[in-house]
Amino acid sequence: AQSVTQLGSHVSVSEGALVLLRCNYSSSVPPYLFWYVQYPNQGLQLLLKYTTGATLVKGINGFEAEFKKSETSFHLTKPSAHMSDAAEYFCAVSGGYGQNFVFGPGTRLSVLP
Amino acid sequence: GAGVSQTPSNKVTEKGKYVELRCDPISGHTALYWYRQSLGQGPEFLIYFQGTGAADDSGLPNDRFFAVRPEGSVSTLKIQRTERGDSAVYLCASSLGAGQSTGELFFGEGSRLTVL
Repeated sequence: AQSVTQLGSHVSVSEGALVLLRCNYSSSVPPYLFWYVQYPNQGLQLLLKYTTGATLVKGINGFEAEFKKSETSFHLTKPSAHMSDAAEYFCAVSGGYGQNFVFGPGTRLSVLP
Repeated sequence: GAGVSQTPSNKVTEKGKYVELRCDPISGHTALYWYRQSLGQGPEFLIYFQGTGAADDSGLPNDRFFAVRPEGSVSTLKIQRTERGDSAVYLCASSLGAGQSTGELFFGEGSRLTVL
């Protein structure tokens, strides 16, 4: 079984500041890990994913995340926030193809001018 | 199609009525998922199809909820005797077949259901 926790339901940063959104997971099998972004009134869009191989993965819009097995974490970062990054971010875990996806509760990112 | 298509985008109904929500996945995607998202929460798993069969329906909240995918493509989520607590956005996602996919889900824009 899998589960996901996201620390902080709402994060505010200033434009140009570092973005750090936290995700911790629990999985009984080697996890596949994902970050999705949801803009208002839109569907979920994949930001990045970890399956196997390199533990630092880069995604769209300058975001990246690092898989740390020892910490069971997959935190999302971006060096410099833009106003357009304001959205809801969801971390998800899966046991691989054919397995259920479990989503975290989400973190709403606000970017202040 | 180019993306996952869900209809209707908005549905307002009265308590006790029957509702159908439709999902048309990306062409060639054999896996199809239904999720429910309430305001301020993450997507909650409902059911997953592999082809025509429901591989995992453990997320369906009760027997008022039912989903079908008779030809392995379009799926319909059916809700009987709707209750106000069923109000949510119902999300559909699809995924490539085994051996071709790392399991990434492609989502539609959702069907917003409001039960008055």
